Amino acid sequence: AQKVTQAQTEISVVEKEDVTLDCVYETRDTTYYLFWYKQPPSGELVFLIRRNSFDEQNEISGRYSWNFQKSTSSFNFTITASQVVDSAVYFCALSLYSGAGSYQLTFGKGTKLSVIP
Amino acid sequence: SQTIHQWPATLVQPVGSPLSLECTVEGTSNPNLYWYRQAAGRGLQLLFYSVGIGQISSEVPQNLSASRPQDRQFILSSKKLLLSDSGFYLCAWRGQWELFFGEGSRLTVL
Repeated sequence: AQKVTQAQTEISVVEKEDVTLDCVYETRDTTYYLFWYKQPPSGELVFLIRRNSFDEQNEISGRYSWNFQKSTSSFNFTITASQVVDSAVYFCALSLYSGAGSYQLTFGKGTKLSVIP
Repeated sequence: SQTIHQWPATLVQPVGSPLSLECTVEGTSNPNLYWYRQAAGRGLQLLFYSVGIGQISSEVPQNLSASRPQDRQFILSSKKLLLSDSGFYLCAWRGQWELFFGEGSRLTVL
């Protein structure tokens, strides 16, 4: 069965520190997508990144970077030089095809990041 | 560009009262639409999804129902709310592979 585990429930860092959010997934599919979303205090889920299962190349976008490793079924997210605006709940998600060709995302429980000034 | 809106943003309802949450998507046709619920400390749970008008799939047996009367409209309803229905409800539409979410509707059942 598909599953996403975010073992870190809450993390606190001091501004300008680097922080890594862990994500471990389980799936029997050979083709799948992984995602990260940010949920600021306002509540709206903001899409950050998508990776497909055939592309293990790491990605960097500004202060954000993502490390995808199929060997350990992990898709970790690192914020470099954290800022107060990074404070949010971050969700990792996995694509899932269920019966009749339906498509949905399965989410982890999220990691709450607090960046202290 | 595509946009998605939900309303109302906040709702406080007594137990046993009806519910109607609406979601509208603009700028795309025949999108896959989703209702997720986020209860406190429990992550995101998929409630319903729809691949087209009148086509609804339910993921979790519950007190809620969904309808899609128009291509870009997705409605979440209940005839009688329970305390356990409290939570943050998010509507989403599917892009290529990712989902894009609305602002959310926070429901408190008292």
